[in-house]
This record gives sequence, C-alpha cells and structure tokens, in this order.
Amino acid sequence: EAGVVQSPRYKIIEKKQPVAFWCNPISGHNTLYWYRQNLGQGPELLIRYENEEAVDDSQLPKDRFSAERLKGVDSTLKIQPAELGDSAVYLCASSSRRNRDNYGYTFGSGTRLTVV
Amino acid sequence: GQNIDQPTEMTATEGAIVQINCTYQTSGFNGLFWYKQHAGEAPTFLSYNVLDGLEEKGRFSSFLSRSKGYSYLLLKELQMKDSASYLCAVRDGNAGNMLTFGGGTRLMVKP
Repeated sequence: EAGVVQSPRYKIIEKKQPVAFWCNPISGHNTLYWYRQNLGQGPELLIRYENEEAVDDSQLPKDRFSAERLKGVDSTLKIQPAELGDSAVYLCASSSRRNRDNYGYTFGSGTRLTVV
Repeated sequence: GQNIDQPTEMTATEGAIVQINCTYQTSGFNGLFWYKQHAGEAPTFLSYNVLDGLEEKGRFSSFLSRSKGYSYLLLKELQMKDSASYLCAVRDGNAGNMLTFGGGTRLMVKP
C-alpha cells in the first residue's frame, strides 16, 4: 500500500512569492490533515478535511493561506504571498474511520519550505 | 483546548534506560500516541494507549494514567539509532479525533 505522498520535497522561494504544496493521501482515507512544523517544535494543525469538507480551519492564516481538497482525495495547500516566518516543514497526514481506534495518522514525508 | 508538555531535551548513554514523560490537559481524551521523528523526516508511529496501564513492544513501553493526565515512553537497551525526537500526541474525540502534539523531546544517545 502506498503511503501518503507529498510534493515537492523541498522548496526555496523568495518572500512575497506564491507557493503550493500537494498531498495524495492513502486510498480510502476520508480524513486529511495539513500540519506545520517549525524547527524544534511539534506539528501544529492548520486544517482538517472530512472528505471534501474543511471541518476545522481555525488555525489557518486565512489572509495568505488557502487549501482545497477537490473530490475528497488529493489536497493542495497554498501560500500567497509567502513571508519569512512561513519557513517550516508542511506535513500532510491521513486517517480512516475504519482504523480510528489505533495507529492515529499516517504522515507524508513533508515539504520543507524555505523563504528567503 | 489542549495543553501537552514534555521535556525539550534528554541525554542518555548507550545501553541504558530512559523515560520520557508527557503531561496533558484535554477536554475529549480519546487516546495518547507516541511518535518518533528523525530530523527532516515524517513522524512514525510508536505506540498507542487509550486505557490506563503499560503497553510493551520490544524495547519500547508506553504508560498511561488518565486520571493524572500523564504518560511516559520508556526506552530500554538504548542504541545510537534511538537518537531522535519523540512526540507525544493526544487525540480529541470532541474534535473529529484530531491529534494535538507536544513540542517533542529530542533524545541524544551517547556512547
């Protein structure tokens, strides 16, 4: 079974430029999460999807961040314009209601964003 | 809301035993997870506790006390490859079973 796939693996952009990250969750996983992890800290939730619906986006900075999950499968996270403080690792994870009692999430490898 | 605390760093010697503590406050507790994360990589699942007590898996054990809001991860016979960050995460049944993570404990194993 393929895991959660994220791309790109690394991205370096200049401040004020736009950037987008892509996530393909595990097949059949209805719940998809985007987390941001700053250096030396734990992941912090940005947005959670149940199928195609964003059910928790309270931590998403909506002035510059946007996300979508068309057809309830793949998801994209966009930042426009990027700021220096956005440099972090952006992790995507997915989970299934059928496996809700154990093993939590499956994480992708993340996208390491550097804004210069 | 959630509040999860764990030590920032720990150092231990190869072959020894180390215990990483985690305390939490949550409104809808529905399980506690431990993840291991190497720098630049995704977190990988280590253990899961939802009932009080000890779960053992090889060299790793995880303990939970729900009444105290407390968990620990115990690593025995430490190896150099155990050097990593260890993340404590609590699942909230009132928020779609969302996981909230602590800041992570960076463990350094020395020869």
